[in-house]
Amino acid sequence: KQEVTQIPAALSVPEGENLVLNCSFTDSAIYNLQWFRQDPGKGLTSLLLIQSSQREQTSGRLNASLDKSSGRSTLYIAASQPGDSATYLCAVTDSWGKFQFGAGTQVVVTP
Amino acid sequence: GAGVSQSPSNKVTEKGKDVELRCDPISGHTALYWYRQSLGQGLEFLIYFQGNSAPDKSGLPSDRFSAERTGGSVSTLTIQRTQQEDSAVYLCASSLGKGVNQPQHFGDGTRLSIL
Repeated sequence: KQEVTQIPAALSVPEGENLVLNCSFTDSAIYNLQWFRQDPGKGLTSLLLIQSSQREQTSGRLNASLDKSSGRSTLYIAASQPGDSATYLCAVTDSWGKFQFGAGTQVVVTP
Repeated sequence: GAGVSQSPSNKVTEKGKDVELRCDPISGHTALYWYRQSLGQGLEFLIYFQGNSAPDKSGLPSDRFSAERTGGSVSTLTIQRTQQEDSAVYLCASSLGKGVNQPQHFGDGTRLSIL
């Protein structure tokens, strides 16, 4: 059974610092891995999707890497801003399109 | 709007009542997913539709839960004889094609409270 773990559960950094969020999964037979952002009272916003054949994806200040063999993904957010404060979730997808989510990392960026 | 729309946004009901939650996916998206997020827990997969059929119902927690999708568009999630442990935020998502390598787009959810 696939298990997805996110460490740390919570993170607080001053504005301008880089953020590093970790996601690990136990079964490497995934189709893709996706990082989401969730703001309080809102649904999820997709940030980056990495297909199983890819090693990384970049969008603006965000970069996500994927090491399928070791079951790890890392989300980097450069030069953090208070608007980056949110909960960040990673999820892996199996061949049915079924997602298995981690519990999330709650990020607070202080001005 | 262009996004996934869910209604109602909030629902408070008494234990034992039936509830229906609605999801309008993005136009043209053939894959539709239901999840729930209970307080303090991660997101839990419930059911996945491709068109009107549901190849994966493995996440439905009990036979009180059912879902249908008609016309390849709107989906309803029905919970019968609600229990307090059903209180959660129910999220719907849609994606293009079969969905495995397409990003999922989420609605804002329905916050369900069972008294």
